[in-house]
Amino acid sequence: SYELTQPHSVSVSPGQTASITCSGDKLGNKYASWYQQKPGQSPVLVIYQDNKRPSGIPERFSGSNSGNTATLTISGTQAMDEADYYCQAWDNNTHVVFGGGTKLTVL
Amino acid sequence: QLVASGGGLVQPGGSLRLSCAASAFTFSSYWMSWVRQAPGKGLEWVANIKQDGSEKYYVDFVKGRFTISRDNAKNSLYLQMNSLRAEDTAVYYCARVNSVEYDYWGQGTLVTVSS
Repeated sequence: SYELTQPHSVSVSPGQTASITCSGDKLGNKYASWYQQKPGQSPVLVIYQDNKRPSGIPERFSGSNSGNTATLTISGTQAMDEADYYCQAWDNNTHVVFGGGTKLTVL
Repeated sequence: QLVASGGGLVQPGGSLRLSCAASAFTFSSYWMSWVRQAPGKGLEWVANIKQDGSEKYYVDFVKGRFTISRDNAKNSLYLQMNSLRAEDTAVYYCARVNSVEYDYWGQGTLVTVSS
């Protein structure tokens, strides 16, 4: 079955750029989506179809996807961005796969 | 727009039926999914269902035990869970599939399997 791999944790200083990677076999041939989840809350879509932002998501969130790696980039990271982030893709257009999640710490 | 309900405490081997009420969008136009999250763990896809219910897909470890269904007339999504195990303990979210992403999520309903 298809697998997506994320780092367990990423740390960033306020105002700096955070990059969270998501690796999977030929992931660049699929669309990757990213979700932000804060404690006790439902996930929120922050990037879809590799690099599109839903309305209401700040411009500091961006995404890319090429080869075997999709990347979520947060520019000018703010304290409010501290959360768990999950990548997601489809396998064979029928099954959905999530990465294991990355805890972003802003310190 | 998505309100999940039906969670609770159930004994191992027992059954539970989750519901998800949709509003403010044309429910019958979208694939829908159930996604779960065990305590302190990551998101885990459980099942998908096509707009008319003609196609259903499941993650391997729930096949034969869980059944996803929908009632478009009632704008509702369901998950019938049988033969529940301790490892099925999780918050269960319903989510709307828009193209290839989940653009709306319910608030989740907690299922606890314990004796």
